[in-house]
Amino acid sequence: DTGVSQNPRHKITKRGQNVTFRCDPISEHNRLYWYRQTLGQGPEFLTYFQNEAQLEKSRLLSDRFSAERPKGSFSTLEIQRTEQGDSAMYLCASSFDTGHQPQHFGDGTRLSIL
Amino acid sequence: GQQVMQIPQYQHVQEGEDFTTYCNSSTTLSNIQWYKQRPGGHPVFLIQLVKSGEVKKQKRLTFQFGEAKKNSSLHITATQTTDVGTYFCAGPESGGYQKVTFGIGTKLQVIP
Repeated sequence: DTGVSQNPRHKITKRGQNVTFRCDPISEHNRLYWYRQTLGQGPEFLTYFQNEAQLEKSRLLSDRFSAERPKGSFSTLEIQRTEQGDSAMYLCASSFDTGHQPQHFGDGTRLSIL
Repeated sequence: GQQVMQIPQYQHVQEGEDFTTYCNSSTTLSNIQWYKQRPGGHPVFLIQLVKSGEVKKQKRLTFQFGEAKKNSSLHITATQTTDVGTYFCAGPESGGYQKVTFGIGTKLQVIP
């Protein structure tokens, strides 16, 4: 068990650029979650996958955000036309799919928009 | 939508003092989970409570789930500097998918 891995750890980009983050969950886990966390706040739900199916997407998420999990293993989160307000820590978590299972988080990708 | 509230948002305690954080959900929860996030780290799962009125202990930490399954508390006895961090409660709504809503967290600072 190597844990949840996220890349890159840090991303600095100019406003208006597109960015893509990757998450490799724990291999036995079917569920994968993306969260956004800003300073002093709890993780804010963005979206969730069961295997390759995206089952829920936050209504707070604009059309600039898209996530994929094409083979039910790793996932990518893309933000198009980044804005200042997108600056945050993007966390990925995974869990088993039986009942309500605890989530195992990665170290996150910190996005800074210049 | 579901809201999960936590109080207090910040707490400073002298080492050795007790600490309690409270969590309230606007909807009934199928279970409540507690996580700890150290400064600069990611949330780490502590415990899950499922049954109404359930109480669980982990060494100096005591977790309770309310009878109505809408509130929970975490109590730390005789805090230590290693307890420093932000404690989050999180819960999925009863039924439906597995979306979990996190509270804002309680940031604990322990003064040596």
